[in-house]
Amino acid sequence: EAQVTQNPRYLITVTGKKLTVTCSQNMNHEYMSWYRQDPGLGLRQIYYSMNVEVTDKGDVPEGYKVSRKEKRNFPLILESPSPNQTSLYFCASSSQGEGSNQPQHFGDGTRLSIL
Amino acid sequence: AQSVTQLDSHVSVSEGTPVLLRCNYSSSYSPSLFWYVQHPNKGLQLLLKYTSAATLVKGINGFEAEFKKSETSFHLTKPSAHMSDAAEYFCVVTPRGYTPLVFGKGTRLSVIA
Repeated sequence: EAQVTQNPRYLITVTGKKLTVTCSQNMNHEYMSWYRQDPGLGLRQIYYSMNVEVTDKGDVPEGYKVSRKEKRNFPLILESPSPNQTSLYFCASSSQGEGSNQPQHFGDGTRLSIL
Repeated sequence: AQSVTQLDSHVSVSEGTPVLLRCNYSSSYSPSLFWYVQHPNKGLQLLLKYTSAATLVKGINGFEAEFKKSETSFHLTKPSAHMSDAAEYFCVVTPRGYTPLVFGKGTRLSVIA
C-alpha cells in the first residue's frame, strides 16, 4: 500500500530537548516536504526536498532542520524546541515538484506539544 | 503572488442537501488547483484536481469542482451531503516552478442528521 509514514504520532516534550520526527514514503517519490498546521492559518510549508541531498526552505523554516540522505526518508529535526513550535505537523511526498500537477500524498500527522 | 481565499470558515448543511464550498484564487500563471479533505486525526486526502484540461472536474465521493477563470474561482460542490462528508476541506493552488503550495485556511463542513 502506498503511504507516507510519520513517527511519532503524538509527542509531549519540554523546551530545549532535541527531537526528531521521522517521515518515510514507499512510493519512490523524488519530492518531499514538511508542513505545520495551526488553527486559522491552514498549512504552511517548513522545508522541502526535490531529491536526495537537495533541500530548501519553505515559508516558516526558523527553528527547524531537515536532511535527505535517502530517497525514502525525510526527518524533521527540532534542535531546541520552543512552545511556539507546538503544532500539528505533516509530511508529504509527490512524484514531481510543486510546479507540477501531481498531488501530494500526506502522512497522518504528528501532534507536538512543547511545554 | 499566489493566494487562495476560502470564503467560509464553516459551512453547515443537512444530510441529503447540496454542498457548496467556495474558493477564490489569485495566480500570475495558469494554475493547477486542488481540493483536499482532512478527516479528524488524519492527513489530507486528494479529492480532485484541475490541471487546465476540462473545467468541470469530478473527484471522489461524488464531489466536483468547476474552474471559472473569469471569476478566478474553483468552488467545490456535491449534490447530496452524507454524514461521512463532515471534515475540513482545503483549496490549494500550485504556482509554476518549485515554490510552495499555497493553501487556503480551510472550511469546516458539518453535516446535520
